Amino acid sequence: SQQGEEDPQALSIQEGENATMNCSYKTSINNLQWYRQNSGRGLVHLILIRSNEREKHSGRLRVTLDTSKKSSSLLITASRAADTASYFCATGLAGKSTFGDGTTLTVKP
Amino acid sequence: DAGVIQSPRHEVTEMGQEVTLRCKPISGHDYLFWYRQTMMRGLELLIYFNNNVPIDDSGMPEDRFSAKMPNASFSTLKIQPSEPRDSAVYFCASSFSFLRQGATEAFFGQGTRLTVV
Repeated sequence: SQQGEEDPQALSIQEGENATMNCSYKTSINNLQWYRQNSGRGLVHLILIRSNEREKHSGRLRVTLDTSKKSSSLLITASRAADTASYFCATGLAGKSTFGDGTTLTVKP
Repeated sequence: DAGVIQSPRHEVTEMGQEVTLRCKPISGHDYLFWYRQTMMRGLELLIYFNNNVPIDDSGMPEDRFSAKMPNASFSTLKIQPSEPRDSAVYFCASSFSFLRQGATEAFFGQGTRLTVV
């Protein structure tokens, strides 16, 4: 299975701190995506990084990809209470995206 | 575009009944995915279509589950007969292909919360 596995499963930080989540996967990929899910809602796409890219930024988000280690990290800088959600990585290959179990982030005001 | 539209948002049904979930993907997207989310199993890919053709249905749990995509703007996921263990949130998502890299980011609907009693 090429399912992504997030680490840690849960993360609790204070507002203003940075949050780092990691994702590991098992097989070759075309791209890796990060999504956010607020409680009771659908998943929202945050950022996509292609297999030939090593780092990507979007606002307060920074994603890295190390294909040799089959791992990715998502960094959220200067976190806000509104960032409280579950975060999932998804590995994409030939149209199919496989999701990990997610990291639950709690940002305390 | 209004995004991926799923209906109904909530469905409560009795065991043994047929359940049909509906999805309207974003116009122009050529991939459509059906996922199921539970606390125990997380987010599972059930089946996905490319240009209305089922590509991989290996995630469909049992023969009680079936999915169709009669045209580019509509898909259904049917459970017949339904069982309590089918209770979950079912998500539909769509995306478009990019060059040779297959689908890009998926856009999710709000989901259908199914409760089978």
